[in-house]
Amino acid sequence: DIQMTQSPSSLSASVGDRVTITCRASQSISTSLNWYQQRPGKAPRLLIYAASSLQSGVPSRFSGSGSGTDFTLTISSLQPEDFATYFCQQAYITRWAFGQGTKVEIK
Amino acid sequence: EVQLVESGGGLVQPGGSLKLSCAASGFTFSDHIMDWVRQAPGKGLEWIGRGRNKAKSYTTEYAASVRGRFTISRDDSKSSLYLQMNSLKVEDTAVYYCSRLYESSGYYYSDSWGQGTLVTVSA
Repeated sequence: DIQMTQSPSSLSASVGDRVTITCRASQSISTSLNWYQQRPGKAPRLLIYAASSLQSGVPSRFSGSGSGTDFTLTISSLQPEDFATYFCQQAYITRWAFGQGTKVEIK
Repeated sequence: EVQLVESGGGLVQPGGSLKLSCAASGFTFSDHIMDWVRQAPGKGLEWIGRGRNKAKSYTTEYAASVRGRFTISRDDSKSSLYLQMNSLKVEDTAVYYCSRLYESSGYYYSDSWGQGTLVTVSA
């Protein structure tokens, strides 16, 4: 199975900051990588699919990049509603796997 | 509007069984592959299984952690997905989500999720 590793596990940032989260796959997954946001007590929400495609309705301050084994989620200017946990997910092989999550907290 | 509503969670003893349901509305359920994903308290997301549609011969896939104990089924006439959980363990305690898979240009992703249902396995 493919393992997904995110870094950092948590970070503190201020409103307006640029935030970058990294996700690494244990083997190449081409661009079959999705990003989700989860607020406390809520279901996950799709942000980015196919590594860099923005899901409809998601603000343009979110962007994704990468291919192969290394991927990045960037929030260009952090907003109050962005304080949440972010998960990457590989969709390259059938048994999908998530990263362990990155919690974005208020500094 | 796409809606997924899970139900059937609750408290069950180790070794017991439980059947979860996911009622879908707002889209043609029979067209879509569906997943179950769980989240243990304070932990991350774990993909546990998939129920494919008629076009994919209703095949299923499972994570190693639940294979042989959990069974996914669906009833397209009721727009519903099910998760039969047997031989439950304490470590199966989690919120269980169903999600809809969407395909775009060969890429798959979970574009809609239910609100989740809590399963607690405890003596």
